[in-house]
Amino acid sequence: NAGVTQTPKFQVLKTGQSMTLQCAQDMNHEYMSWYRQDPGMGLRLIHYSVGAGITDQGEVPNGYNVSRSTTEDFPLRLLSAAPSQTSVYFCATWDRSTGYEQYFGPGTRLTVT
Amino acid sequence: AQRVTQPEKLLSVFKGAPVELKCNYSYSGSPELFWYVQYSRQRLQLLLRHISRESIKGFTADLNKGETSFHLKKPFAQEEDSAMYYCALRGGNKLVFGAGTILRVKS
Repeated sequence: NAGVTQTPKFQVLKTGQSMTLQCAQDMNHEYMSWYRQDPGMGLRLIHYSVGAGITDQGEVPNGYNVSRSTTEDFPLRLLSAAPSQTSVYFCATWDRSTGYEQYFGPGTRLTVT
Repeated sequence: AQRVTQPEKLLSVFKGAPVELKCNYSYSGSPELFWYVQYSRQRLQLLLRHISRESIKGFTADLNKGETSFHLKKPFAQEEDSAMYYCALRGGNKLVFGAGTILRVKS
């Protein structure tokens, strides 16, 4: 039972490159979310999903795309990386069955040069 | 819109001293508040939620709707409490976090 996994752990991109951050869960939770963590800004919600095929924007969605084709996977795509997207990215899953407690992945540290 | 404010970026206390981490919120509906903690090199994890009204690791938090606050308290700080603490508010299907407070407990 791996819980929530994220790959890669570290990534360096050049400005303008695109990439996908992977998030997978084996807890059968309905809801999944992506956050970015920046010093002094806390955790900010990028996108979230309430089930397969359903996604919605959070506080800071610009520059990111998501899709949810299965319950297990919720990839985050950076379309054209910018230095402002340098951050630590966390994926989380949650559910009514957990009393809305969120379970977090280990994070991906992204640097855009 | 839902908003969470944690006014202190860093709180430094001595071991054995009382701790209060402040959290204020703004939300038009009925709020559900949480405290999450991130210890060094560990994942972010739930510490406690207001509906449970429980004490975890000696920490308690009471929801004060009049003052729109959900402060986290512990009467006697321990060195292992040093961590980043986030207050969070659930509104509908979204969980919104504050900026976080680093708690440093000095020996």
